[in-house]
Amino acid sequence: DTEVTQTPKHLVMGMTNKKSLKCEQHMGHRAMYWYKQKAKKPPELMFVYSYEKLSINESVPSRFSPECPNSSLLNLHLHALQPEDSALYLCASSHSGRARDEQFFGPGTRLTVL
Amino acid sequence: RKEVEQDPGPFNVPEGATVAFNCTYSNSASQSFFWYRQDCRKEPKLLMSVYSSGNEDGRFTAQLNRASQYISLLIRDSKLSDSATYLCVVNGDPYGNKLVFGAGTILRVKS
Repeated sequence: DTEVTQTPKHLVMGMTNKKSLKCEQHMGHRAMYWYKQKAKKPPELMFVYSYEKLSINESVPSRFSPECPNSSLLNLHLHALQPEDSALYLCASSHSGRARDEQFFGPGTRLTVL
Repeated sequence: RKEVEQDPGPFNVPEGATVAFNCTYSNSASQSFFWYRQDCRKEPKLLMSVYSSGNEDGRFTAQLNRASQYISLLIRDSKLSDSATYLCVVNGDPYGNKLVFGAGTILRVKS
């Protein structure tokens, strides 16, 4: 079952709030990813975790803080966001993080920052 | 130059038509290639991986030309349900998994 779940589906937050996005997969994958997608644009990679260690941070502002508590869970902690951070946040997973692995995406969290 | 470039679209085709999408990539070290489809306000879904020998899955055929750094997707006998944005995706990291997405091509199949 190629399923990645994300909660919440929608989130509205103020610029002073702290919130977290959650992602879970039960496919035994060892690599997990966060992407950001603005309207009418393709997804852009933010972070990669491989075997529960952060392996790629695409120069993402520190107001986004990823966390990988275990191999099936991935969180994205949000603090002091800006309205331009409003976007669809997608989580993905792949078998091991190797170059030829296929990535499978969750349904995303649609974030609005007021 | 963008790392992955696609036909801008949109492609408006009748049901039953054959349609082809093209994509070029700039990083010659790229190791793996994919086509994803994305429906409006949904997540990208993997359509197929693309191999050097080419591969086919039902009505869909993908080709890769490493020398020209060119990828294609052919859809035969288009269905209304094929209407979506098709994303050409390249992994530019030979040791890891760092996907770079093209801007996507919109396909609209009409009855």
